[in-house]
Amino acid sequence: DAKTTQPNSMESNEEEPVHLPCNHSTISGTDYIHWYRQLPSQGPEYVIHGLTSNVNNRMASLAIAEDRKSSTLILHRATLRDAAVYYCILQGMGSSNTGKLIFGQGTTLQVKP
Amino acid sequence: KAGVTQTPRYLIKTRGQQVTLSCSPISGHRSVSWYQQTPGQGLQFLFEYFSETQRNKGNFPGRFSGRQFSNSRSEMNVSTLELGDSALYLCASSLGQRLAGGNGYEQYFGPGTRLTVT
Repeated sequence: DAKTTQPNSMESNEEEPVHLPCNHSTISGTDYIHWYRQLPSQGPEYVIHGLTSNVNNRMASLAIAEDRKSSTLILHRATLRDAAVYYCILQGMGSSNTGKLIFGQGTTLQVKP
Repeated sequence: KAGVTQTPRYLIKTRGQQVTLSCSPISGHRSVSWYQQTPGQGLQFLFEYFSETQRNKGNFPGRFSGRQFSNSRSEMNVSTLELGDSALYLCASSLGQRLAGGNGYEQYFGPGTRLTVT
């Protein structure tokens, strides 16, 4: 399973943008980049995913480097509710990878009022 | 749409007993995955079921087993409980099929079952 590297923790001020980085230098051509987050006392929550192009949804944006060896999750205006552990996960589309998310340690995001 | 539900939410068992946890996926989802979360090991994948068949399995002993029913509901069983099995057990559902744009594999998690083994 391809590995991702994320900073252990980050801080942000409320209503400011947050850029959460992820390195995945051993990514394969068919791996999708997924982001999940886990709020305190809750199960993980799907945030966004992408393959090569940048992606936007109502929760966040995902910027993917041209060589795909790194990506950045962007929260455009952090709120206190965004304080969570953010996980960057590579998921292959082959049958041996379906339904299987390999979670790392993630990045704990603290949002200050 | 109703989300993923798990029952029970909390459970206390004694070492050596067995336990069965239940997961009801989002309507229309055919894949159910199970995870164990502990402070020391983080989130670890247990297994995935799709259309009543185990499709993927993590590195857990045979004491951990599961099954999926025709309505996609899934159960997880742990036999001969050990103190180290105390954890939050999470299930997640997804369509489980590859769709355009890499969609179809996003997982939606339930709130978990907190198991304490004494």
